[in-house]
Amino acid sequence: DQQVKQNSPSLSVQEGRISILNCDYTNSMFDYFLWYKKYPAEGPTFLISISSIKDKNEDGRFTVFLNKSAKHLSLHIVPSQPGDSAVYFCAAADTGTASKLTFGTGTRLQVTL
Amino acid sequence: EAGVTQFPSHSVIEKGQTVTLRCDPISGHDNLYWYRRVMGKEIKFLLHFVKESKQDESGMPNNRFLAERTGGTYSTLKVQPAELEDSGVYFCASSQDAEGLAFTDTQYFGPGTRLTVL
Repeated sequence: DQQVKQNSPSLSVQEGRISILNCDYTNSMFDYFLWYKKYPAEGPTFLISISSIKDKNEDGRFTVFLNKSAKHLSLHIVPSQPGDSAVYFCAAADTGTASKLTFGTGTRLQVTL
Repeated sequence: EAGVTQFPSHSVIEKGQTVTLRCDPISGHDNLYWYRRVMGKEIKFLLHFVKESKQDESGMPNNRFLAERTGGTYSTLKVQPAELEDSGVYFCASSQDAEGLAFTDTQYFGPGTRLTVL
């Protein structure tokens, strides 16, 4: 029973354009959401997070949007760069009970020249 | 500052053998987590240490898995005996325990140990 879902296994975007990665969750107790980026043979690297009390958080080229009523979040990368090519994992936590992260299956982003 | 390190980077063993994975967290980090990713699926939580104590081991698959963190520094994860379905990449992560903010502390991941059970 997957509580965090990333339905697009891959995404290809041209350099300079916007990349939009989507994530859906089913557990209404989740109140903290994160995006991690992973390069081959490396561990996931924290990218950006958002608390459920907000609906948007921005850090440079990266913006995360949270729609609690739809149980949906998205990561926007503008403008996309070739170095952004990686697997992106959405993760969630129910901070009221534990700090463990529940991850999605990841979306492979390829930014082409 | 050194990041989270894991040893070995790869391990290939036969079914029924024993394997021990090691994780060295970032110095001073009280929280240590083990996760596993099986063949392109999601990264799944295994367990969480706060210093030397097991805070949450709800993700441990069965009693063939034993995790320890003696002295609250490095941790080991032993699989005995290993089965085919144990193959995957085992990640360790650590985070600081800022008073009252532990649940939202950033978890820093190591590079993982790729375990192959034949």
